[in-house]
Amino acid sequence: DAGVTQSPTHLIKTRGQQVTLRCSPKSGHDTVSWYQQALGQGPQFIFQYYEEEERQRGNFPDRFSGHQFPNYSSELNVNALLLGDSALYLCASSLASSGRSNEQFFGPGTRLTVL
Amino acid sequence: AQSVTQLDSHVSVSEGTPVLLRCNYSSSYSPSLFWYVQHPNKGLQLLLKYTSAATLVKGINGFEAEFKKSETSFHLTKPSAHMSDAAEYFCVVNKDTGRRALTFGSGTRLQVQP
Repeated sequence: DAGVTQSPTHLIKTRGQQVTLRCSPKSGHDTVSWYQQALGQGPQFIFQYYEEEERQRGNFPDRFSGHQFPNYSSELNVNALLLGDSALYLCASSLASSGRSNEQFFGPGTRLTVL
Repeated sequence: AQSVTQLDSHVSVSEGTPVLLRCNYSSSYSPSLFWYVQHPNKGLQLLLKYTSAATLVKGINGFEAEFKKSETSFHLTKPSAHMSDAAEYFCVVNKDTGRRALTFGSGTRLQVQP
């Protein structure tokens, strides 16, 4: 049973460019959440997708957008990259019906460096 | 608003001695609480979770945590540290309203000295 997978592993972009990160959830999961982890900090919630719609959003600008596909995989898009967008981007999957337990399974992350 | 505060950014222990990582939470609702561990260059792994059942929660690798509502605390403990326990530990809260965004603490880096 494959866990959460993310691609690419590492990415280097320059300021002003756009980037797309990809995530495949754990088998059987239907909800995908994205988090940004800056160096030396805890992950910060970006947004969550369920049934191909954004269900909840953290305190991130509209430059951050996403998509969920019918097979539950997801993309995170960031436009007009800033130096401050350099971080580890984590994808987490869960099952909507899990209720209180809400155990989220995390992927290994994509390390984005903006020069 | 919900939040967690991890009281120590770094903790250093000797191998074989007890581990205590401290976490306080604030939440307007009955929270679900979690501890996650992050080893270098690896993803986050769930150690244990509290979801209003038993207040003493046992997790993987000998870790456990006790939910104390009166103290709004959820400290992580282990009787005897192992070298492989060296990692970053995050206390996490999830507000129990059906929303599932996790709020992470700032993390505690655990060092284990031989």
